[in-house]
Parts: sequence; C-alpha cells; structure tokens
Amino acid sequence: AQKVTQAQTEISVVEKEDVTLDCVYETRDTTYYLFWYKQPPSGELVFLIRRNSFDEQNEISGRYSWNFQKSTSSFNFTITASQVVDSAVYFCALSEARNSGNTPLVFGKGTRLSVIA
Amino acid sequence: DTGVSQNPRHKITKRGQNVTFRCDPISEHNRLYWYRQTLGQGPEFLTYFQNEAQLEKSRLLSDRFSAERPKGSFSTLEIQRTEQGDSAMYLCASSLSVESYEQYFGPGTRLTVT
Repeated sequence: AQKVTQAQTEISVVEKEDVTLDCVYETRDTTYYLFWYKQPPSGELVFLIRRNSFDEQNEISGRYSWNFQKSTSSFNFTITASQVVDSAVYFCALSEARNSGNTPLVFGKGTRLSVIA
Repeated sequence: DTGVSQNPRHKITKRGQNVTFRCDPISEHNRLYWYRQTLGQGPEFLTYFQNEAQLEKSRLLSDRFSAERPKGSFSTLEIQRTEQGDSAMYLCASSLSVESYEQYFGPGTRLTVT
C-alpha cells in the first residue's frame, strides 16, 4: 500500500532563514513518482516538482532544492533564504507506475509553512 | 493557456439537497481526476477518467456520489442527498495519460452543507 508521511504539521521561520520540509513515503513498487505541490492561501494546488524512482539526483531550482534518498524512502524539500511569499501549505505526493499510466496521487497531510517578515 | 477550471467556486446547500459540480480540464489532457480535501488534510482521491471511461473509484465514493465525463472533455460530480460530512473542497485535476506526467489542479469547489 502507498503512504506518504509529512511529520511536520507546522513550521514557522523568520524571513531569509533556510527551511527543510520532510517527506517519507512507503511503496512496494520499484517504479514510482514523487511530487511536491504548494497550496497558497488562495487554495489552488501548484505543481513544483516530479521525481521518478530511478533518478536520485538532487535538483535545484532557484531557491528550491530537493533531496531524494531511496535508502531512507525520503524526498525532502529545502527552501533557501525563505520569503514571505513562500508561506503556504506544502504537500508531498506519491504515484505508482502501471502499464495503463500512473495511479492517482496519494498525498501526505501537508506542512504549513509560515515565513515571518 | 487555459488551466483547469471548476464551477461553482463555492456552494452552500441544505442537508438532503443534491449538488452538481463541473470541471473543465486542460484541453489536450485525456485524464481527469476528482479529489476531496477536508480542513487540515491532504487531498484524497475519489475517481478518475481516461477520456470518457471511468477507470477507478475510491471506497470514499459512496453510492450518493456519481461522476461523468460524457464526451471525454468536461466532467461533472454529483452528490445526492447531501450530508454535513460532505462539506469539503472538491478538487479536479487533469493530466496526460503518458506515464509520469504531473497533474494540474483547478481552484476547487468549496461545498458547505448546513
């Protein structure tokens, strides 16, 4: 069975601090995909990144970086030099590969990040 | 470039009434998903379509819920005899059916059952 755990319910940081959001997943499949989505106060989920299970390279996009480690089943997300606009709920999600296409997303409960000016 | 749209954005209804929501996916996307999100939780999968075929339904989708995608374009989600426990945000997402493609979400329909 698929499961995504985001142990941090809420995090509060002061602007310009770095912050890491944790994500631990469970799956029996060898081929799967991991995602991060951002849900700002407006409510619409915004896609941030997709990672497949065969690609363990870390990725950096501007102030965002992601650390994927299969050995610990983790896919952590770091925001460097946080800004007030980063305040949102962040969700980690998992999808397994099938011949007919990916399974629907299984989401964690989310981490609410508050960046204080 | 038009994203996923959902209507209405908000719906307040009395318990026992029927409600219907609409989702218009990104035009070239052949997969369409419905999720439900309650306060403080992540979205939970309800059902999804590939073109007009409904491929999977979650156990969350009781027999009061029905979804259609008649021409493989827009989709509707109907809830009959609403209950207070149905109050939630109903999210629609679309994607290409090619393996690994990400889902793009609409703004959601917030349902309040009084």
